[in-house]
Amino acid sequence: EIVLTQSPDTLSLSPGERASLSCRTSQTVSSNHLAWYQQKPGQAPRLLIYDASNRATGIPDRFSGSGSGTDFSLTISRLEPEDFAVYYCQQYDSSPPLYTFGQGTKLEIK
Amino acid sequence: QVQLQESGPGLVNPSGTLSLTCAVSGGSINEGDWWSWVRQPPGKGLEWIGEIYRSGSTNYNPSLKTRVTISVDQSKNQFSLKLKSVTAADTAVYYCVANGWYSLEDWGQGTLVTVSS
Repeated sequence: EIVLTQSPDTLSLSPGERASLSCRTSQTVSSNHLAWYQQKPGQAPRLLIYDASNRATGIPDRFSGSGSGTDFSLTISRLEPEDFAVYYCQQYDSSPPLYTFGQGTKLEIK
Repeated sequence: QVQLQESGPGLVNPSGTLSLTCAVSGGSINEGDWWSWVRQPPGKGLEWIGEIYRSGSTNYNPSLKTRVTISVDQSKNQFSLKLKSVTAADTAVYYCVANGWYSLEDWGQGTLVTVSS
């Protein structure tokens, strides 16, 4: 099973700043099937990015994903107040089919 | 974009069976491909439980495989989760999800299930 490790655990920034979140995997992610989610308190996760760099429907272009192999990142170019939340990365493995998540990064207001 | 709504008991006895249903609206379950269940213990991260294809084929997380059954009822446009022999460690918010492209696209609001006597 592929293990996903996100860093940092907590990131303290101010609105308007740039955020960079990391997700490293213990093995190469097949076909870059790596996704990112945002979760606010009391809400379900929301898909932001799929296949490492593709924005999901309705996601603002300040969110971008990059990376390949075992090293991926989510960048928020200019933080808005509503962006402060917990972010999870997730990979898909086909043999056997399995979705696994990172432990999450909490993005908090500085 | 479909809407999903979980329903079921919020309290289950230890050693009992957790049973939840996910109603799909705004689209037919036959129009989608895979449908998943994901859970999140209070204050913790996300765990994928398993998925079902519209035809009824299933894939389960190996860590839960011996206790999980996911089924689909096309006539009611819903799919269901059963988790047997539950313990306090199964206390979590349970989400039903419409799968996307190797991702989990549309989520229900989630329902908290507590395992306690």
